[in-house]
Amino acid sequence: AQTVTQSQPEMSVQEAETVTLSCTYDTSESDYYLFWYKQPPSRQMILVIRQEAYKQQNATENRFSVNFQKAAKSFSLKISDSQLGDAAMYFCAYRNRDDKIIFGKGTRLHILP
Amino acid sequence: DTAVSQTPKYLVTQMGNDKSIKCEQNLGHDTMYWYKQDSKKFLKIMFSYNNKELIINETVPNRFSPKSPDKAHLNLHINSLELGDSAVYFCASSHVGYNEQFFGPGTRLTVL
Repeated sequence: AQTVTQSQPEMSVQEAETVTLSCTYDTSESDYYLFWYKQPPSRQMILVIRQEAYKQQNATENRFSVNFQKAAKSFSLKISDSQLGDAAMYFCAYRNRDDKIIFGKGTRLHILP
Repeated sequence: DTAVSQTPKYLVTQMGNDKSIKCEQNLGHDTMYWYKQDSKKFLKIMFSYNNKELIINETVPNRFSPKSPDKAHLNLHINSLELGDSAVYFCASSHVGYNEQFFGPGTRLTVL
């Protein structure tokens, strides 16, 4: 069975600094997608970035980028120039060919002014 | 325009009652989902429907019954509510395959 592990329950970063959230997963499949979702206090789940497993190039979305290491089954999220609005729970997620999505337990990110 | 909407946003009820949560999406997606997020923020899939057919049914008590009248709607009916059912329930939709899911705003269910 696939699993997704986020080893950092909480992290803090100074405003304007860079922070990296870690995520590892376990699967025997070769085709899958990986996602990072953000859940602010409003509780709305917002897609931050996604990565196709067959692509070697790391996905980027403005200040958000990933470091995808397929062999190591690692999918970390880097947030550059952190802003107060980035404070939220961040969930790493794995989606397999059976259309099942599995979430990690989340990392709560605090932004220090 | 709301892409995925849920009603109600908050639901407080007594143990033993039966309640429903409605979900609608206007994105033209063919697959819809229900997730449960517990008090520790752990998010777990409960059901998924593709074109009104049940695709995924995780180990969920049979007191929970999803109903999909059409592919734009997936409602969740819960019978004989228990204290442990208190959680936030999210509806989501996507196209089948590897695309991202779009989530509704969630329904916070509190069972007293």
